[in-house]
Amino acid sequence: GESVGLHLPTLSVQEGDNSIINCAYSNSASDYFIWYKQESGKGPQFIIDIRSNMDKRQGQRVTVLLNKTVKHLSLQIAATQPGDSAVYFCAETLASGGSYIPTFGRGTSLIVHP
Amino acid sequence: GAVVSQHPSRVICKSGTSVKIECRSLDFQATTMFWYRQFPKQSLMLMATSNEGSKATYEQGVEKDKFLINHASLTLSTLTVTSAHPEDSSFYICSVLGFGVNEQFFGPGTRLTVL
Repeated sequence: GESVGLHLPTLSVQEGDNSIINCAYSNSASDYFIWYKQESGKGPQFIIDIRSNMDKRQGQRVTVLLNKTVKHLSLQIAATQPGDSAVYFCAETLASGGSYIPTFGRGTSLIVHP
Repeated sequence: GAVVSQHPSRVICKSGTSVKIECRSLDFQATTMFWYRQFPKQSLMLMATSNEGSKATYEQGVEKDKFLINHASLTLSTLTVTSAHPEDSSFYICSVLGFGVNEQFFGPGTRLTVL
């Protein structure tokens, strides 16, 4: 589980800037990755996913990059808005192994200043 | 995606009492639901997998006699925190396994505070 007592990493940006949130995953065999957004007091919300046979996937204002060599994921948010302020979690799973339970990363708190 | 609700959204109880949290899948028949716990500024920790009509599967370190899970129908799973103590205070979130093998839809969470 997560380390007790550590605060979430925080990224502060100005409205309109591009944001990049990074995540290191743990299992080199993981083949499916998801980014979730969690607003305060709410459950996680799916943002975008990527399979291990890809290194980039784009959505609306969001792009996920996958570097399997160093087990690294990033989430890029273009033209960040105050409504993007939330905690962002990456999650990994081994879909080909029949696992449908994602393992959540530590999370990053994104603060967007108007 | 599936719409998932939880009730109550917030609950405050005295130490030693039991609290029941409901998770409902409003528009989807969920064979499998999950229960997570999230402490402040931490990630989600899977507590158990709830399968309709059978016993829940608990993760290592989660006491099944303390966290009772009942998944009696395809739309409802309940988590009962028995003899709650202040250290059980947390944010409890359920999710529903959707159509795709990797689709999970999360509920809004329940904030439990044990005094």
